[in-house]
Amino acid sequence: QKEVEQDPGPLSVPEGAIVSLNCTYSNSAFQYFMWYRQYSRKGPELLMYTYSSGNKEDGRFTAQVDKSSKYISLFIRDSQPSDSATYLCAMSAYALKTIFGAGTRLFVKA
Amino acid sequence: KAGVTQTPRYLIKTRGQQVTLSCSPISGHRSVSWYQQTPGQGLQFLFEYFSETQRNKGNFPGRFSGRQFSNSRSEMNVSTLELGDSALYLCASSLGRGDRDTEAFFGQGTRLTVV
Repeated sequence: QKEVEQDPGPLSVPEGAIVSLNCTYSNSAFQYFMWYRQYSRKGPELLMYTYSSGNKEDGRFTAQVDKSSKYISLFIRDSQPSDSATYLCAMSAYALKTIFGAGTRLFVKA
Repeated sequence: KAGVTQTPRYLIKTRGQQVTLSCSPISGHRSVSWYQQTPGQGLQFLFEYFSETQRNKGNFPGRFSGRQFSNSRSEMNVSTLELGDSALYLCASSLGRGDRDTEAFFGQGTRLTVV
């Protein structure tokens, strides 16, 4: 079993839809949870950073962490074609290596 | 504030050669991590350096090595290149300690093609 599981997709939605991206993990030591967005031929860009359980909102993006279920989510409201990218979840604990999910390819159709 | 800089951006090498990639982290960041990204395997952790010491290591063969200098710049070396080493190599920097330890910022990557 991988430490982090993420459905690679692709996920295709119409413009304006709410997108839900998810990851599950097995290591209960993880305390820091991140979402990265990666456009083709670019390095990953940090979108959201969350410590422990709870929600965090930033504009159209909301990150949720449920440590009891070992489950994290990223919601994108009013999705735009410019949101089309690969979204990677990542998690870590202090001084431990960061583990990434496989990434979910998202296509938002105009 | 300048971001993470990786050089070169693109590289073509032949099998059996060796290659050195460079990463300059964000100013003030002391942790540098290296990743290999391929379509089939996703982002695979290579190693992390903090204050010139390797702090974490992934499951790659000894042909992959790295180092970090006193100014936090890091280099990664791959010897005896194989076709399967063709990938995007990404470097990420972070502060390295405290509760913001793992907020990592990536460079644009070096795309290595082995022919």
